Amino acid sequence: AQSVTQPDIHITVSEGASLELRCNYSYGATPYLFWYVQSPGQGLQLLLKYFSGDTLVQGIKGFEAEFKRSQSSFNLRKPSVHWSDAAEYFCAVVGDDKIIFGKGTRLHILP
Amino acid sequence: GAVVSQHPSWVICKSGTSVKIECRSLDFQATTMFWYRQFPKQSLMLMATSNEGSKATYEQGVEKDKFLINHASLTLSTLTVTSAHPEDSSFYICSASRLAGYYEQYFGPGTRLTVT
Repeated sequence: AQSVTQPDIHITVSEGASLELRCNYSYGATPYLFWYVQSPGQGLQLLLKYFSGDTLVQGIKGFEAEFKRSQSSFNLRKPSVHWSDAAEYFCAVVGDDKIIFGKGTRLHILP
Repeated sequence: GAVVSQHPSWVICKSGTSVKIECRSLDFQATTMFWYRQFPKQSLMLMATSNEGSKATYEQGVEKDKFLINHASLTLSTLTVTSAHPEDSSFYICSASRLAGYYEQYFGPGTRLTVT
């Protein structure tokens, strides 16, 4: 069975600084991978997804993620964060027709 | 486009009563709807998958008699928590998809249920 780990519960970065949120998965084959963002009062929004092909995936709001098979990782990055990026971020894995979400990383932005 | 609403956004009910949560796809027809449960500071856990006109498929460990799911139309699914107890208090989230599978989900804003 697959599993997902987001090692960082909270991350704080200054506005304008770069960001990397970590996601590690466990699955025998290449899974389908997703990053979602959850803001208060709003539903989860898909930032990007990886199914196959180019391992560097571009998403919305300036986010990107890189699939690294050798490290079983799918880390989310943004070169320069904005105060509006403060939210909860979830990594998700689909494999064997099951979807598993990580526990989330809460992003705090310092002015 | 692809907006999903949930109603109510929060509800308080007494132990032993039942509560119904609605999930609507506002601008598209949803072949599949999903119901999740999210505990504080925890991840989303899939409870069940429903397809219009057919019985929901529940995940292992989810009591189908407690969490009744109805997907009566291509734009509406309901989750009824029957004989609610304080341990059922949680954040319930639905998602809808035009397709089968998890690959194109649009999420509702969630419903906070508190059972007293």
